[in-house]
Amino acid sequence: GAVVSQHPSRVICKSGTSVKIECRSLDFQATTMFWYRQFPKQSLMLMATSNEGSKATYEQGVEKDKFLINHASLTLSTLTVTSAHPEDSSFYICSANGQGNIQYFGAGTRLSVL
Amino acid sequence: SQQGEEDPQALSIQEGENATMNCSYKTSINNLQWYRQNSGRGLVHLILIRSNEREKHSGRLRVTLDTSKKSSSLLITASRAADTASYFCATEGGSGGSNYKLTFGKGTLLTVNP
Repeated sequence: GAVVSQHPSRVICKSGTSVKIECRSLDFQATTMFWYRQFPKQSLMLMATSNEGSKATYEQGVEKDKFLINHASLTLSTLTVTSAHPEDSSFYICSANGQGNIQYFGAGTRLSVL
Repeated sequence: SQQGEEDPQALSIQEGENATMNCSYKTSINNLQWYRQNSGRGLVHLILIRSNEREKHSGRLRVTLDTSKKSSSLLITASRAADTASYFCATEGGSGGSNYKLTFGKGTLLTVNP
């Protein structure tokens, strides 16, 4: 149980395009999901907290208009990187808060912006 | 905000040996969690220890928590080549209650040589 699916696993796009990443909790409901960004050989940096039915809470320094988050249902949160640029290239990981306050993570999405 | 920092940054051992990783943090916490990440993948939850607990076991894993020193350790006994991964500690909560947000340390890259 407690599986989180993240899609796509890898995406390559041209500069200026928008990319949507989906995060689904497959066998449990998650009112709270999290989006992280990870640079090579570095730790995870929390970008935002996604709350079902309300606006996301962004961490300091993260542009909310750049990284759009929608948590439309209890099992789905999406992150859209708008007008992507090469500096947005990174590994993005989502997690869903499950039973016992444990976060269950997706497999991550590697975004490469050309 | 609390910040977990692991040491060592990298650890290389032989199969069968024990591996010990340490984590320090700065402020009060509700709990501390250890996660494992294989290269380019999502994180897998290993163990959660609450602030009122001092030690916890799960299989070959042993975690200790010393809130007076604001530190934790993860011991993997009888290591296997398959244990090769990055290990992160993450702290949650503190004074004022929990919002389930995790703050991750920088991680320890463990290499177990066959």
